[in-house]
Formats: sequence, C-alpha cells, structure tokens
Amino acid sequence: GDSVTQMEGPVTLSEEAFLTINCTYTATGYPSLFWYVQYPGEGLQLLLKATKADDKGSNKGFEATYRKETTSFHLEKGSVQVSDSAVYFCALPSTSGTYKYIFGTGTRLKVLA
Amino acid sequence: SQTIHQWPATLVQPVGSPLSLECTVEGTSNPNLYWYRQAAGRGLQLLFYSVGIGQISSEVPQNLSASRPQDRQFILSSKKLLLSDSGFYLCAWSVDSLSTDTQYFGPGTRLTVL
Repeated sequence: GDSVTQMEGPVTLSEEAFLTINCTYTATGYPSLFWYVQYPGEGLQLLLKATKADDKGSNKGFEATYRKETTSFHLEKGSVQVSDSAVYFCALPSTSGTYKYIFGTGTRLKVLA
Repeated sequence: SQTIHQWPATLVQPVGSPLSLECTVEGTSNPNLYWYRQAAGRGLQLLFYSVGIGQISSEVPQNLSASRPQDRQFILSSKKLLLSDSGFYLCAWSVDSLSTDTQYFGPGTRLTVL
C-alpha cells in the first residue's frame, strides 16, 4: 500500500543554515506529492507540490524535486529563518482507489536566532 | 475563492459530555471532506471522510461519529467524550479524487477533555 516516510525530528538549526528534510514514498504509479507546513496552533498549509516526475515545486524559498528513481521528495531551503520554525509534513493522495491522503509523521523544525 | 471554517476554535469539556464540531466550506460545490485528529506532538490521524451528502467513511472505530447534512457542512460528534479524545481536530477539503488534487485545511479546533 501507499506510505510516506519522513526523517525524525526535531531538527534544530541556526538562522541562515541550509535545511534538508528527507521524504521517501511508496505508491502505485506517480501520484502528486505535497509538502505542508503547520505553524504552532494552526492548521496545515500547502507549502508546495509537484504533479509529475522531475517536477520541482517551490514556494517561499523552499524547494522539492519529484525523484521517481529514488522515490523521494526531499524539502530544501538554502537559508532558514526563525519564522520557518514549524512542523513539516510530506504527503500524497492514495493510489488505491480511495479518496484518502497519506501523510508522513511530520518533522519539527526549530530555527534559533 | 474557497474558504474553510471550523468552530469552535477551542473547547474544554468534561469526560462523558457530548461533542459537536462543525466545519463548513465556501466557494466550491460537492467537495470531498475530511476529519483528522492530531494528538499533542503527533502526526495526523484520519478519522472520517465523505465524498457526498450522507456518505461517510470511517477510518478508526471509536466513540466518534461524523455526519454531512449539507453539501458543504461536515460535523464531528460524540455522545460521551473520553480523556483520549483530547487533541487538535482538523477539517479539510479537496475538489475531487484526481491525483493532482490538493487538500486544504481549516484552522482547527483544540479539544481538551478533563
């Protein structure tokens, strides 16, 4: 069945450091892939998405490339800010004929000034 | 543009009391609707989803139930709350089942059962 695996957190970085949050997936075919961000006390917001292999999603300085060879969708940012502190979720829509979405367990990022 | 509302934003309830959380979506028709729960410091747990009025799929057997009385309204209920029902409840919607579809989340309801 479908699954998403994210790196364990928390991840603690200093401001302006480089960020990578790993995400790998298992799915039938090539579904769209998503990164969501959740700030403290809020719902999830779509951060970026990619709809097909080799697509790169980008938003707010974050990027992720859909790699079908390695079944990965790693999130990267060249220079993080304190305001990027949040929980990040990798996700994909189920490919098993249901209307569900499969989420990773989330990775908490803390950026220190 | 589409918007999703949830209320209340926060709720403190005693064990054994009933629960009703409401979610409404504006600006779209026949959305797929979802209820998730997020325990403190944990990931998302899908509770229910609905692809149309009166159509509810349950993912986790528990003392919660869901209903969809109108096209853009989704309600989460319980007759008797348990301590373990505490958490952050998120409603979400999507346009349809296409693989490129994005899921959009509401602001959430924080429920504390004492």
